[in-house]
Amino acid sequence: EAGVVQSPRYKIIEKKQPVAFWCNPISGHNTLYWYLQNLGQGPELLIRYENEEAVDDSQLPKDRFSAERLKGVDSTLKIQPAELGDSAVYLCASSPGGGRERDTQYFGPGTRLTVL
Amino acid sequence: AQSVAQPEDQVNVAEGNPLTVKCTYSVSGNPYLFWYVQYPNRGLQFLLKYITGDNLVKGSYGFEAEFNKSQTSFHLKKPSALVSDSALYFCAVRSNTGNQFYFGTGTSLTVIP
Repeated sequence: EAGVVQSPRYKIIEKKQPVAFWCNPISGHNTLYWYLQNLGQGPELLIRYENEEAVDDSQLPKDRFSAERLKGVDSTLKIQPAELGDSAVYLCASSPGGGRERDTQYFGPGTRLTVL
Repeated sequence: AQSVAQPEDQVNVAEGNPLTVKCTYSVSGNPYLFWYVQYPNRGLQFLLKYITGDNLVKGSYGFEAEFNKSQTSFHLKKPSALVSDSALYFCAVRSNTGNQFYFGTGTSLTVIP
């Protein structure tokens, strides 16, 4: 079974430029999460989807960040414009959304963003 | 407020010795508790979880954790450490009354040959 796929793995951009990250969750997983992980810190939730609906985006900086999950499968996280402080690892995770495994999250390898 | 604390940034243990990585939590309602491991340049991998039932939970790679409600702790343990266990370990909690997960700041485990 394929795991959570993220691309790109690394991205270097100049400040004020836009950037987008893509995530393909495990097949059949209804719940998708985007996290931000700063160096030496644990993941912090940005947004959570149940199918195509964003059910928790309270931590998403909506002035510059946006996300979508069309058709309830893969998802895109966008930053426009990027700031120096956005340099971090962006993690995508998915979970089945039901049954005994509903709370077990499976993480992708992450996208390491560097803003110069 | 809900939170997770991992009081040790770094844990060093000799290969073959038992290891413990500490985690305490604060939630309203009953806790759902998780341990994840992160290797360099990799995403987090699920190790084990406590939802309900037996307080001692066994997980992947010989790890186990004990839920202690009175001490609000969920320490990760392994009887005999391997060099390959060296990684970053994260504890996470969710309340049974909400959907938000909270991760600790991580503990870097180094197993010395």
